[in-house]
Amino acid sequence: KNQVEQSPQSLIILEGKNCTLQCNYTVSPFSNLRWYKQDTGRGPVSLTIMTFSENTKSNGRYTATLDADTKQSSLHITASQLSDSASYICVVSMILTGGGNKLTFGTGTQLKVEL
Amino acid sequence: EPEVTQTPSHQVTQMGQEVILRCVPISNHLYFYWYRQILGQKVEFLVSFYNNEISEKSEIFDDQFSVERPDGSNFTLKIRSTKLEDSAMYFCASSGGGTGNTIYFGEGSWLTVV
Repeated sequence: KNQVEQSPQSLIILEGKNCTLQCNYTVSPFSNLRWYKQDTGRGPVSLTIMTFSENTKSNGRYTATLDADTKQSSLHITASQLSDSASYICVVSMILTGGGNKLTFGTGTQLKVEL
Repeated sequence: EPEVTQTPSHQVTQMGQEVILRCVPISNHLYFYWYRQILGQKVEFLVSFYNNEISEKSEIFDDQFSVERPDGSNFTLKIRSTKLEDSAMYFCASSGGGTGNTIYFGEGSWLTVV
């Protein structure tokens, strides 16, 4: 069964600190791996997309890594800000026969940044 | 930045009624999707739509559900005879061509069935 598992389930850090979120997946066939940020009650917002051949991708203070052999990914957030408080969701994509992608979402890591 | 817009933001409906959730995808996008998120759970795939037809649907997307792109700009999700368990946030999403393209999500339509 296609699954995306994330850890930790929740995390509290102080403003300015760094953190790393983990993701393991068993989705097949694999197309790419995405990290999304979702504020409570809002739609997910894309942070990074990595294909099979990429093992790191940065977007500002966000750096994602991918190990396609072990089917693991991480999202590192540096110099955290209060506005980083949100759910961070690991999403694995499969290519659809007719084109486009089918996304399998993880349950997310709920991050809270405090003063 | 271009965005996917959804209406209504919140709808309350009685069990057994039909609802239509509306979406305006980003204008030059080719692929359209509906996802849903039950409160406290993860986002789940419902259906993908390309070239005016469904390209993939999940087991959730049964005969109660239908999608339509009636006028080249709107993309709708119809739920016939709603059930209590249909209560969820429904997200519309769209993307351009290519499998590595960003998929943009709308802010969601929160459906409450009472």
